[in-house]
Amino acid sequence: DTGVSQNPRHKITKRGQNVTFRCDPISEHNRLYWYRQTLGQGPEFLTYFQNEAQLEKSRLLSDRFSAERPKGSFSTLEIQRTEQGDSAMYLCASSPLGGNQETQYFGPGTRLLVL
Amino acid sequence: GENVEQHPSTLSVQEGDSAVIKCTYSDSASNYFPWYKQELGKRPQLIIDIRSNVGEKKDQRIAVTLNKTAKHFSLHITETQPEDSAVYFCAARGGKLIFGQGTELSVKP
Repeated sequence: DTGVSQNPRHKITKRGQNVTFRCDPISEHNRLYWYRQTLGQGPEFLTYFQNEAQLEKSRLLSDRFSAERPKGSFSTLEIQRTEQGDSAMYLCASSPLGGNQETQYFGPGTRLLVL
Repeated sequence: GENVEQHPSTLSVQEGDSAVIKCTYSDSASNYFPWYKQELGKRPQLIIDIRSNVGEKKDQRIAVTLNKTAKHFSLHITETQPEDSAVYFCAARGGKLIFGQGTELSVKP
């Protein structure tokens, strides 16, 4: 499968714990995006990388959230001291440089449940 | 701030009928408008997109129209089939991609 992959697919954690999610974009896609989706809503932008540089962060991304893309390939999203309100689907997407650079391809998501 | 409004939130049609979903956007700098289909528990999948230099685009049973003056765009699905049942999201991009709230389409056989 050469699409965007995300791990884990599901995560259940207790309030206050830290969690980390991984996203592997489509090979050679230099742009990578993180979104959060809650039930009945569209995806909400969190942050985006061009290669290893984090170029934009949403106000939704509190200090407890951090994202990295150290080598410009896979990315991780960490949530520290999780809260029940963090329960959501976390989606990753990637897009290529040049050509249809606006077209974003989504991964299957990581569903987080904070108890 | 930037906003995309999508209507209706739910839409039920008979197989073979047409379905229309409408979106309006607030950021006049938006120049790219994709539509995604999301089946239950699955990833959003791009079904069609349009750029601001085009007023209409068609791909088999799916078409999208864009009115930049009015800042609205629509998805048209003709000859609907049960497998078209899903949640559809519109989005608009000026800087980042802003999604609408989604339309749950149900196609009854």
